[in-house]
Amino acid sequence: SQQGEEDPQALSIQEGENATMNCSYKTSINNLQWYRQNSGRGLVHLILIRSNEREKHSGRLRVTLDTSKKSSSLLITASRAADTASYFCATEGDFGNEKLTFGTGTRLTIIP
Amino acid sequence: DAMVIQNPRYQVTQFGKPVTLSCSQTLNHNVMYWYQQKSSQAPKLLFHYYDKDFNNEADTPDNFQSRRPNTSFCFLDIRSPGLGDAAMYLCATSRWGGETQYFGPGTRLLVL
Repeated sequence: SQQGEEDPQALSIQEGENATMNCSYKTSINNLQWYRQNSGRGLVHLILIRSNEREKHSGRLRVTLDTSKKSSSLLITASRAADTASYFCATEGDFGNEKLTFGTGTRLTIIP
Repeated sequence: DAMVIQNPRYQVTQFGKPVTLSCSQTLNHNVMYWYQQKSSQAPKLLFHYYDKDFNNEADTPDNFQSRRPNTSFCFLDIRSPGLGDAAMYLCATSRWGGETQYFGPGTRLLVL
């Protein structure tokens, strides 16, 4: 399976703290994406980082990519209760087959 | 606002009774995807259309079929639902394959 692994599976932190989630994948990629999913809802795209990029920022989000280690991390700074959700990484393989492979997800809980 | 719409949001069917889930998009995207997501798991790709070209995943059961009559609409047909098919079904679109995907809110299917 090409499915990525996310670590940790679940994370609980106090509001205001930073949250870091990690994603590892198995094959060479064109890009890696992070999505958020609130309970019972669809996924929402957060950020896309291409294989030739090492770091990307969007608001309170910071994503890093290390293609040599086949890993990525998502950092959420100054967490808020509204950040409580599941977070998935997804990769597009460099064989260009039009689809994403999703990781197993990290369930993040922010404690007010 | 441009969006991905799924109807119905909740669907109850009986064991073995055919059911159709629908998805529409106003984004004019080329690619449409259907995912199955079970509780606390990653979305699992069932199939996708690149324009009119249908792409089935190797492990998608024959019980699942799809139709895309035009750019805007895509349907998921489950010919004989089993108890194991109870899940959230997510539709997503992307302008090009492998790029950012835009998800609908999902249809939660319950099989009695």
